[in-house]
Amino acid sequence: DTEVTQTPKHLVMGMTNKKSLKCEQHMGHRAMYWYKQKAKKPPELMFVYSYEKLSINESVPSRFSPECPNSSLLNLHLHALQPEDSALYLCASSGRENTGELFFGEGSRLTVL
Amino acid sequence: KQEVTQIPAALSVPEGENLVLNCSFTDSAIYNLQWFRQDPGKGLTSLLLIQSSQREQTSGRLNASLDKSSGRSTLYIAASQPGDSATYLCAVRKSRGRGSTLGRLYFGRGTQLTVWP
Repeated sequence: DTEVTQTPKHLVMGMTNKKSLKCEQHMGHRAMYWYKQKAKKPPELMFVYSYEKLSINESVPSRFSPECPNSSLLNLHLHALQPEDSALYLCASSGRENTGELFFGEGSRLTVL
Repeated sequence: KQEVTQIPAALSVPEGENLVLNCSFTDSAIYNLQWFRQDPGKGLTSLLLIQSSQREQTSGRLNASLDKSSGRSTLYIAASQPGDSATYLCAVRKSRGRGSTLGRLYFGRGTQLTVWP
């Protein structure tokens, strides 16, 4: 099983709303990632969790708040977003320490009105 | 900083052609290189992973090669089909940091492939 599951697939929210994106993997991977992708651009790294601890924060605005409740779950809490935050948010995991292969979920398409 | 370039940016070919997608990177101190496929509005699907010590990997009609010293990788697609139409992304992972920390991943901008019947 090489699946990373993301919910919801689509999310529309207003600038004052609070919502969350969820990601789950059951491959025993110990590193999990959030990426943001705008149309026709490559994914941009936002956060990395390694062994459930935040190891990389790419200077992401505080309106994005990551959380890793356990080794299988990764959340991204959203609050007071801007229309320019509309994008595809991708979760990924890796854990084969000898290969470093990255597996992505299908993404959550976020629209901020 | 590692820079990854993919050429061409877009490619349109008739069905049945063999084709080559190119990826180049500026820093040869890499841990691995991964090729992905992305369909519009979807996530990335891992196609092939080449470790820094390897020269090539094959999966079905796909073959990826790596020349670390020259900073290049190619993805060869044999007998292309309309279902191969997608964006192909190359990503390079830096060598490990201290301990077991995996290095950062750097993406190219992708090659948008269209295979027409």
